[in-house]
Amino acid sequence: KAGVTQTPRYLIKTRGQQVTLSCSPISGHRSVSWYQQTPGQGLQFLFEYFSETQRNKGNFPGRFSGRQFSNSRSEMNVSTLELGDSALYLCASSRDILPYEQYFGPGTRLTVT
Amino acid sequence: DAKTTQPPSMDCAEGRAANLPCNHSTISGNEYVYWYRQIHSQGPQYIIHGLKNNETNEMASLIITEDRKSSTLILPHATLRDTAVYYCIVRVGNNYGQNFVFGPGTRLSVLP
Repeated sequence: KAGVTQTPRYLIKTRGQQVTLSCSPISGHRSVSWYQQTPGQGLQFLFEYFSETQRNKGNFPGRFSGRQFSNSRSEMNVSTLELGDSALYLCASSRDILPYEQYFGPGTRLTVT
Repeated sequence: DAKTTQPPSMDCAEGRAANLPCNHSTISGNEYVYWYRQIHSQGPQYIIHGLKNNETNEMASLIITEDRKSSTLILPHATLRDTAVYYCIVRVGNNYGQNFVFGPGTRLSVLP
């Protein structure tokens, strides 16, 4: 079974631009979560989508948004990029049954210059 | 979600068992214990989970104390490729608006 895939793997953007990252979950997984990982803050939860609805949201500004499509694929968008948005962005998917372990993709490394 | 406490780093000799401890003294009855690991710059990898019974899979064993206030992840024969940061997480076993809260984890170094 194919794992979680994320595209692109690497991205360089400049301050003020916006970026869209994509995540394809494991087949049959309907929950998709996004995390940001930086050296200073570690792994932090951004948001979770289930059946095209945002079900949970972390403590990030409104510049960070996401959506989920009917095929469970998900995208996240960051507008008006700041230098501090440079991070590894990770997507994780899970089935909607106990105990809901999440499987992570390889991540997208975003560098903002 | 209950907080967990893990040692910041540990060393283990290649071929020996690696025993990674985790304290979760405020765990609730409906909270599972999950273990993940992250090899440098890769996505975290799910290892194992448990509620109250000991669990074993092809990667590791999970030993949970009877009072559930602590657990140990055991890698039976550590290899150099097991060098990674290991995260112990507890969270409720339902899927309504729950997320995984990752702490700093334990950096395991497997030495030749």
